[in-house]
Amino acid sequence: EAAVTQSPRNKVTVTGGNVTLSCRQTNSHNYMYWYRQDTGHGLRLIHYSYGAGNLQIGDVPDGYKATRTTQEDFFLLLELASPSQTSLYFCASSDDWGDTGQLYFGEGSKLTVL
Amino acid sequence: GDKVKQSPSALSLQEGTNSALRCNFSIAATTVQWFLQNPRGSLINLFYLVPGTKENGRLKSAFDSKESYSTLHIRDAQLEDSGTYFCAAERASSSFSKLVFGQGTSLSVVP
Repeated sequence: EAAVTQSPRNKVTVTGGNVTLSCRQTNSHNYMYWYRQDTGHGLRLIHYSYGAGNLQIGDVPDGYKATRTTQEDFFLLLELASPSQTSLYFCASSDDWGDTGQLYFGEGSKLTVL
Repeated sequence: GDKVKQSPSALSLQEGTNSALRCNFSIAATTVQWFLQNPRGSLINLFYLVPGTKENGRLKSAFDSKESYSTLHIRDAQLEDSGTYFCAAERASSSFSKLVFGQGTSLSVVP
């Protein structure tokens, strides 16, 4: 079973604050993703990566940066957090080349921007 | 419009009964995944499907790419089956394909 670990699990910051969400997967998966989950919108893809140093934009990238430092580690950065970024964030990984492959999610990181 | 539409949006089941959840797609889907978000918020992958069927214990899922739908059957529902079920379809594309998620079906299993 793939292991995807996120930190922190809960974070509260103020408007304009700087936040980094971390994700580590330990199954040597090629693809990693950041999603946000909001009531009424379901899961929306922010950024994804298919390997160390690679970054692709998703469907809702505005206000977010991401960096894939190694095959295992994928970070989501909010440099000027806004209340609209209050959400539940999920990291996920998958293995397959070309296709999405089976997704394995982390436990989620709840972010509150005051 | 909704590219992946789940039905019903909410469902209450008595323990021990059976039910089926459905996803209809308005996109050409190559694969489908089903997830359960449990009351703790964790997203658990239940099935990854190419066209066809899969079974795992009391759960069975089918994906018909020609008719653009997928189903998830729950047999002998248990309290721990409660949560929100999401389906996600992978769009057929020549480039990297992204998953499109449905809005979820909230399932409550009661004694």
